[in-house]
Amino acid sequence: SQTIHQWPATLVQPVGSPLSLECTVEGTSNPNLYWYRQAAGRGLQLLFYSVGIGQISSEVPQNLSASRPQDRQFILSSKKLLLSDSGFYLCAWREYYTGELFFGEGSRLTVL
Amino acid sequence: GQQVMQIPQYQHVQEGEDFTTYCNSSTTLSNIQWYKQRPGGHPVFLIQLVKSGEVKKQKRLTFQFGEAKKNSSLHITATQTTDVGTYFCAGLFGGANNLFFGTGTRLTVIP
Repeated sequence: SQTIHQWPATLVQPVGSPLSLECTVEGTSNPNLYWYRQAAGRGLQLLFYSVGIGQISSEVPQNLSASRPQDRQFILSSKKLLLSDSGFYLCAWREYYTGELFFGEGSRLTVL
Repeated sequence: GQQVMQIPQYQHVQEGEDFTTYCNSSTTLSNIQWYKQRPGGHPVFLIQLVKSGEVKKQKRLTFQFGEAKKNSSLHITATQTTDVGTYFCAGLFGGANNLFFGTGTRLTVIP
């Protein structure tokens, strides 16, 4: 069966520091992968999606970037964090036939 | 741009009362999905609706997709404390790879 792993679960970073969040999927090949951000008490904002290795689409201009170095690995990065980058980051993969999104456990980022 | 609006943002109900959340899009959707997020957790898929006018039921939950495929609703009958969480709709627009999520409705059930 397919599983999705996301880490770290929680992190507190100072403004201006770099960021790297990692997501891996097991049990499926060539998945569509997504990064969402959820601000406190808010909805899900799509940040990036990827349909294959090296293929990244950005939905909103921002301080973040994404990379997909391997088929089942999706990384969210920043060179210099801003206060506004705080939030709950969710990685997800989309099941091809049903269209269902499967989310990781999430990474809660606090920028101080 | 493509947006999915969802109301209400918050809903407090007494246990046993019914609950409904509504989603609307200005443009026609290919399909719509519903997710539930428990406090502190991640969204979990509930259901997908594809056909115009479709109605699906899961125990006390009833999901509807409008005839014009621009709106949808989730109705919970006789809420229980286990229903607490935020309910999101997510719409897929034709030709897109992405689901656009509504802002969610946070449900609180008072015992």
